[in-house]
Amino acid sequence: AQTVTQSQPEMSVQEAETVTLSCTYDTSENNYYLFWYKQPPSRQMILVIRQEAYKQQNATENRFSVNFQKAAKSFSLKISDSQLGDTAMYFCAFMKHVNSNSGYALNFGKGTSLLVTP
Amino acid sequence: NAGVTQTPKFQVLKTGQSMTLQCAQDMNHEYMSWYRQDPGMGLRLIHYSVGAGITDQGEVPNGYNVSRSTTEDFPLRLLSAAPSQTSVYFCASSYSSPVGTQYFGPGTRLLVL
Repeated sequence: AQTVTQSQPEMSVQEAETVTLSCTYDTSENNYYLFWYKQPPSRQMILVIRQEAYKQQNATENRFSVNFQKAAKSFSLKISDSQLGDTAMYFCAFMKHVNSNSGYALNFGKGTSLLVTP
Repeated sequence: NAGVTQTPKFQVLKTGQSMTLQCAQDMNHEYMSWYRQDPGMGLRLIHYSVGAGITDQGEVPNGYNVSRSTTEDFPLRLLSAAPSQTSVYFCASSYSSPVGTQYFGPGTRLLVL
């Protein structure tokens, strides 16, 4: 079974600073996908960044980057130059097959609540 | 281009009542799915569809039915509501599979008394 663990329920960072959110996962599969989703107070789920497990290069999207350590099954998110609008719940997610009929499910962690302060 | 829309935004049901949560997308996406989000937890997959006429169960399908008669619409039916179904429900779509970018609707908050 695949599980996703986010060990930091809450974090806080000052505007313009850098913060890293942790995520570890457990799987026996070799090919998979990892995601970070952002859920602001509006509740809308927004994809932040995606990483393919077969790619060694860490994914980057503007101020967001990941540190993907496949052997350690670690997938942390770094937010640089934090902005007030980054305040949200952040979910780490692992994509897994749910059956043989092309069914996929995102297996989510419990989330990290990030507060960006002025 | 409205993206993924969900109605209603909020609903209160009594135990035993049935209802349909609506989900529609205008991006011509083949893959659609329903998730529920319970307090302090991430999302869990209820049902999904890989195209019109094709649906299958996710991780927590009991008590829910779906159908996919068109590419655009993917309604979720609660057959006989139970308090354990109190949750926030999200519909999502992606072009071919959720490996690509999934677009989520704004969610439906459901309270079952």
